[in-house]
Amino acid sequence: EVQLVESGGGLVQPGGSLRLSCAASGFTFSDIWMSWVRQAPGKGLEWVANINQDGSMKNYGDSVKGRFTISRDNAKNSLYLQMSSLRAEDTAVYYCAKYLGRNFDYWGQGTLVTVSS
Amino acid sequence: QSALTQPRSVSGSPGQSVTISCTGTSSDVGGYNYVSWYQQHPGKAPKLLIYDVTKWPSGVPDRFSGSKSGNTASLTISGLQAEDEADYYCCSWAGRNTWVFGGGTKLSVL
Repeated sequence: EVQLVESGGGLVQPGGSLRLSCAASGFTFSDIWMSWVRQAPGKGLEWVANINQDGSMKNYGDSVKGRFTISRDNAKNSLYLQMSSLRAEDTAVYYCAKYLGRNFDYWGQGTLVTVSS
Repeated sequence: QSALTQPRSVSGSPGQSVTISCTGTSSDVGGYNYVSWYQQHPGKAPKLLIYDVTKWPSGVPDRFSGSKSGNTASLTISGLQAEDEADYYCCSWAGRNTWVFGGGTKLSVL
């Protein structure tokens, strides 16, 4: 059974940093592109970033480019999102998602990040 | 990376059919056959319903179907059931390994 479990969310002040983690199981993690998608409270979904199988290719949404860094550790079956220069508008539930081709077929339950003073 | 356009809400009675539209541009929906649809119940993670415009993942009933014409994709739910009441999101590959989501549609089953 595929499982994606996010952690690392919490309250952070504007301008601060936070690192999210996603522990994956139930599939061959090193074979799969992975992604982060977020959802602001009461709002829609927004694609944030993705990374290829060996971490050599990374892509970012315009709203986080230059501030967020996606990475992975295939030995630990883990995906990460390093977030810096956080803004109030980054407040959201952050989901880790697994790719099926060019679609997201499994999602974690999400971790809430709140940016507030 | 502008969001795809979906109606804010749709509604239908049990047993009826409803269709949710998703309008993009030739750079996303119209340019590729990589449109997917997701169902999200309150407080839950999104669930994949349709991928590559018309395909079903394992376990998704064929009451849910997808289509595309030009820059607009559609999700049709037939034989509406109470448990279909949820938010629905479309998503399209936008080239260069980037994705764009729709703003979401709230489905009410009357």
